[in-house]
Amino acid sequence: DAKTTQPNSMESNEEEPVHLPCNHSTISGTDYIHWYRQLPSQGPEYVIHGLTSNVNNRMASLAIAEDRKSSTLILHRATLRDAAVYYCILEGGANSKLTFGKGITLSVRP
Amino acid sequence: EAGVAQSPRYKIIEKRQSVAFWCNPISGHATLYWYQQILGQGPKLLIQFQNNGVVDDSQLPKDRFSAERLKGVDSTLKIQPAKLEDSAVYLCASTKSWGSFNEQFFGPGTRLTVL
Repeated sequence: DAKTTQPNSMESNEEEPVHLPCNHSTISGTDYIHWYRQLPSQGPEYVIHGLTSNVNNRMASLAIAEDRKSSTLILHRATLRDAAVYYCILEGGANSKLTFGKGITLSVRP
Repeated sequence: EAGVAQSPRYKIIEKRQSVAFWCNPISGHATLYWYQQILGQGPKLLIQFQNNGVVDDSQLPKDRFSAERLKGVDSTLKIQPAKLEDSAVYLCASTKSWGSFNEQFFGPGTRLTVL
């Protein structure tokens, strides 16, 4: 499985935008980029995914570099509830298998 | 829509004892996953079922771990005998189908402590 690299942690202020980076230099042409997040004491939850074009949904936006070797998850207005571990995952097989790394821990200051 | 249910939520056992975890996926979801999450790490896939058949169990320690999904609905994961390094959160997830993008829905997990 192609690998992703994320910083260990990031801090943000409440109500400010947050940009969470992810590097995936060995991404293949058929790999999708998925983001999941895990709130404290809960299972992970889906945030967003994309292939080549930028994507928006009610939770976040995903900006994908033109060469697809990096991407950024954008939370437009961070809330305290957004404090979580965010996982950037590449998925390319037909079996929907997700390989989680350590993720990035986001802290939100009030 | 009810989410993925898991029980128990917490379990404490002595090493060499046996333990079993239960998962009820979202109704109609054909694919079921069991993950192991050790403290400070991301979840690691142990086994994936499509209906009642195993799709991937390459990371399941088969000398002590077993899983089944009878009738393609509920699933149980068993550890026998448990070791100290099995202390972790065991997560169950499900998706509607297999082979194309489907959001994985996770349960709350079972936290296992092996003493």
